[in-house]
Amino acid sequence: GAGVSQSPSNKVTEKGKDVELRCDPISGHTALYWYRQSLGQGLEFLIYFQGNSAPDKSGLPSDRFSAERTGGSVSTLTIQRTQQEDSAVYLCASSLYWVLNRGQGKDNEQFFGPGTRLTVL
Amino acid sequence: DQQVKQNSPSLSVQEGRISILNCDYTNSMFDYFLWYKKYPAEGPTFLISISSIKDKNEDGRFTVFLNKSAKHLSLHIVPSQPGDSAVYFCAASASGAAGNKLTFGGGTRVLVKP
Repeated sequence: GAGVSQSPSNKVTEKGKDVELRCDPISGHTALYWYRQSLGQGLEFLIYFQGNSAPDKSGLPSDRFSAERTGGSVSTLTIQRTQQEDSAVYLCASSLYWVLNRGQGKDNEQFFGPGTRLTVL
Repeated sequence: DQQVKQNSPSLSVQEGRISILNCDYTNSMFDYFLWYKKYPAEGPTFLISISSIKDKNEDGRFTVFLNKSAKHLSLHIVPSQPGDSAVYFCAASASGAAGNKLTFGGGTRVLVKP
């Protein structure tokens, strides 16, 4: 079956422009997550959507970042007035359950997409 | 403040030998730990996890050990294979409504030499 897909795979933009990154999660997965990986760094949590509940936006670095998830499926991460420090690989993940079932091994794993590499010139 | 740290950015090991990757955490609320493997230009893939109620979990060649008192976990890969060459990320989460988000370490790049 299809995994998590993201588009575009690469995006080069000029400082100050807005960008939209898209994520198509695995069909039927109720939870969706956005992370980013800056050069030489680990993955940094940005936002997650859990079922029909309000999203957890606690990881968004500034109000220039926003995300929405339409119809409980596709998600779009928008970065307004991009800055050079926004350059990173943006990763989307989805999971079947939105409550982490402890000790259930792969049943609650987050499946990651290939990422979008964003370069802000 | 990095709550999850992988202090070794890289590791080189001979094929057939054991690879040991280490991870330290500071947040005592973390109660679930995972290891992910990442190849270039691909997203991370789940390897193995462990709940804080256990101190060891094994899956084939992969074993994760958890030492809660030391806030330390490790991943053992034995025997190491060339296909194991990748970046490995340690991740942690805490129970509760916010428990699904993962906090990742900086990663350890493993090179298995034939």
